[in-house]
Amino acid sequence: IAGITQAPTSQILAAGRRMTLRCTQDMRHNAMYWYRQDLGLGLRLIHYSNTAGTTGKGEVPDGYSVSRANTDDFPLTLASAVPSQTSVYFCASRLNRAPYNEQFFGPGTRLTVL
Amino acid sequence: DQQVKQNSPSLSVQEGRISILNCDYTNSMFDYFLWYKKYPAEGPTFLISISSIKDKNEDGRFTVFLNKSAKHLSLHIVPSQPGDSAVYFCAASKAGAGSYQLTFGKGTKLSVIP
Repeated sequence: IAGITQAPTSQILAAGRRMTLRCTQDMRHNAMYWYRQDLGLGLRLIHYSNTAGTTGKGEVPDGYSVSRANTDDFPLTLASAVPSQTSVYFCASRLNRAPYNEQFFGPGTRLTVL
Repeated sequence: DQQVKQNSPSLSVQEGRISILNCDYTNSMFDYFLWYKKYPAEGPTFLISISSIKDKNEDGRFTVFLNKSAKHLSLHIVPSQPGDSAVYFCAASKAGAGSYQLTFGKGTKLSVIP
């Protein structure tokens, strides 16, 4: 593994089903983030984690939950998927070392909820 | 309320010419600005950044200019190359926000015509 990996690459999901998007990084970055990208709306932050064991809500957290049991993994769960959650989801990570704020992104998961 | 604005959804430039991508922000607390480049079906990749204590940062063909009084920044690409064709996102963050969350603009699609 080099950098950030996300799984699955793409998924078609029936509405009402539960889904977990996986994200793993091997850079020992403290902070991790989940974004969704929708056409015409750019990237919007769903949830973040400053360090293992802590999480916080971003701009669009409703319908999503996250956990951060260790440094490397940051899964995003949709408890009961709805069509409006159709989007491309990006995981990102950052080394907490001010003032450098660059976040490194994974390749994305394309999710379609029918 | 959109705090980071990229008012041009698209831009076309001839190969060899200068590309200028613009970004405006409304939150005066932002103190660090970044540009990301995104190819289709890939995650965003960090391009260049600038701290609010500077007004210019240069890296090869890429230069970012910051005008704090106008709350405006721009990315200059000189000379433009066909491989620069991508969506460019402007992002901003503020120190002391803990998570160093990034607020993204909606993106500008740059097309460099050979």
